[in-house]
Amino acid sequence: EVQLLESGGGLVQPGGSLRLSCTASGFTFSVYAMSWVRQAPGKGLEWVSGIRDSGDSTYYADSVKGRFTISRHNSKNTLFLQMNSLRTEDTAVYYCAKEEAAVGTPLFRNWGQGTLVTVSS
Amino acid sequence: EIVLTQSPGTLSLSPGERATLSCWASQSVSSSHLAWYQLKPGQAPRLLIYGASNRATDIPDRFSGSGSGTDFTLTINRLEPEDFAVYYCQQYGGSATFGGGTKVEIK
Repeated sequence: EVQLLESGGGLVQPGGSLRLSCTASGFTFSVYAMSWVRQAPGKGLEWVSGIRDSGDSTYYADSVKGRFTISRHNSKNTLFLQMNSLRTEDTAVYYCAKEEAAVGTPLFRNWGQGTLVTVSS
Repeated sequence: EIVLTQSPGTLSLSPGERATLSCWASQSVSSSHLAWYQLKPGQAPRLLIYGASNRATDIPDRFSGSGSGTDFTLTINRLEPEDFAVYYCQQYGGSATFGGGTKVEIK
């Protein structure tokens, strides 16, 4: 059974940083691309960032480009999202999601339960 | 970037009725790379439909998807109490974008 478990969310002040982690199990992590998707309070789903299986290619939504960095540690089955220069509009539940293939197919069959990030002074 | 527009914003129906949700794309979605998800408060999103019309694993057959190009539809026949939720369409032909969502609420 595919399992994705996010951690690292919390309360942070505007301009601060936070690092999210997603630990995967139940599948061969190293052969699938992964993504982060978020949902702000009262808003819809927004794709944030993706990374291919090898970690060599990364992709970002314009809203987070230059502030967020996605990475992965395949030997530890873990996905990361380093979030810097956080803004109040980054407040959201952040989901880790498994993609359909090694690269270029951001269809999400499996999701974590999400971790809440609150950016507030 | 492909923009997805969903309508209506809210659908008020009774259990047993049929729900018809629409999703329009600003440009043609390649190879019908269109998916539908269900989202309930406090739960992870659940994939319902992929490839515009294929049901995901363990999805009841009362859920069906149709459409191609720029116009897509999710139909839920005979609404069950557990179907009242928010539904999102998503295109995955390259990058990923989601529609704004349709809330199906109990009338």
